[in-house]
Order: sequence, then structure tokens, then C-alpha cells
Amino acid sequence: NAGVMQNPRHLVRRRGQEARLRCSPMKGHSHVYWYRQLPEEGLKFMVYLQKENIIDESGMPKERFSAEFPKEGPSILRIQQVVRGDSAAYFCASSPESRGEKLFFGSGTQLSVL
Amino acid sequence: GNSVTQMEGPVTLSEEAFLTINCTYTATGYPSLFWYVQYPGEGLQLLLKATKADDKGSNKGFEATYRKETTSFHLEKGSVQVSDSAVYFCALSGNTPLVFGKGTRLSVIA
Repeated sequence: NAGVMQNPRHLVRRRGQEARLRCSPMKGHSHVYWYRQLPEEGLKFMVYLQKENIIDESGMPKERFSAEFPKEGPSILRIQQVVRGDSAAYFCASSPESRGEKLFFGSGTQLSVL
Repeated sequence: GNSVTQMEGPVTLSEEAFLTINCTYTATGYPSLFWYVQYPGEGLQLLLKATKADDKGSNKGFEATYRKETTSFHLEKGSVQVSDSAVYFCALSGNTPLVFGKGTRLSVIA
């Protein structure tokens, strides 16, 4: 039973480019969470999605960031016109239930903006 | 809002030493409390949890007791090993997605 798969593991972008981060949840999980980990700041919640729906995006920056979880395929976190401050590790987690107390995390995508 | 405060790291211990990592929380209602562990290069893994006051979560020799009166959920282990070197995150859930502390890096030396 494969775990949560994130790709790429490392992503390098220049300022102004777009970054697309992918997350395939565990089989049977229809709830996906994205977190961002900045150095010395721990994990910060960004967005919670169910299939085809955004349930809670209270942690998403208002501009340049978007997320989707289509009926088929992985969840995508998209960052447009990246800036140096977007450099961080982005973790996806999935859960089989809506309460989301037990999360299964992927290994993360390390985004570096030059 | 809900929040978690962990002791600052890094923590460096010798093998077989006793470990305590402090965690206190602020929350409305009756949250569940968790400890997650992140090994180098990996995502977080659930280590243990407690869902109500006075519950004790335990796993792999680690323990934590949900103390409502002191709003705490301190992580303890009687004898650490080199393989316990990782970053430990305290977390809580209420009516929102999991809220994490900043993490405490533990290094165990032989």
C-alpha cells in the first residue's frame, strides 16, 4: 500500500516563474491537506481539499497561490510568479476521514527560488 | 485561536539519557493532542496521540499524558537511542486542521 507520494522532491525556480507541486494521496483517502514548513517556523496549514472541493483555504496567501484536487489525478499546489520568500518545504498529507486527526504525510517538496 | 508552544531546541542527549520535550497548548473546546516525528529527509509520522484529559499516549517507548489542568502534553522517553534523532512536533486538533508547534530537534549521541 503506497504512502502519500509527492513530486518532485526538489524544485528550483527563478523569480517570476511558476511552481507546480503534486501530491497523490494514499489509496482510499479523499482528504488532502497542504502544509508549508519554513526554517525555524514549524508547519503552517495552507489548505484542505476534498475531491473537487476546497474545504478550508484559510492558510493560503491571498495572491499567487492556488490548489486543486480533481476527480481524477493528484492534488496540485500551484504558485505563480514565485518570489524568494516562497522557498520552503511543502508537505502534503492525506486522511481517510473528514476530521483529519490522523494525517499521513508525504516526504515533501523542497522549493528553492533563485 | 488554537496554538501549540514547544520548548526550543536543539536538544542534545547521550544515549540512554532521559528525554522530556515540553508542549503546552491553547484551545477552545476539547482538542485531541498528538506528537509527530520527522526523520531526516522524510515527512512527518504520527508517534502517539491522546483524545481526552488524563489519557496517556504511548508508542516505541515514548509517552505523553494529556493534562487539562496545566494544558500540557509533554513527551517523555526513559532511555533514548541514536535512532531517536529527529524533529518532534506537538500538535492539536479541534474544529480546524491540525495545528503544529515549531518542532524540537533532538540529537542523540553514542
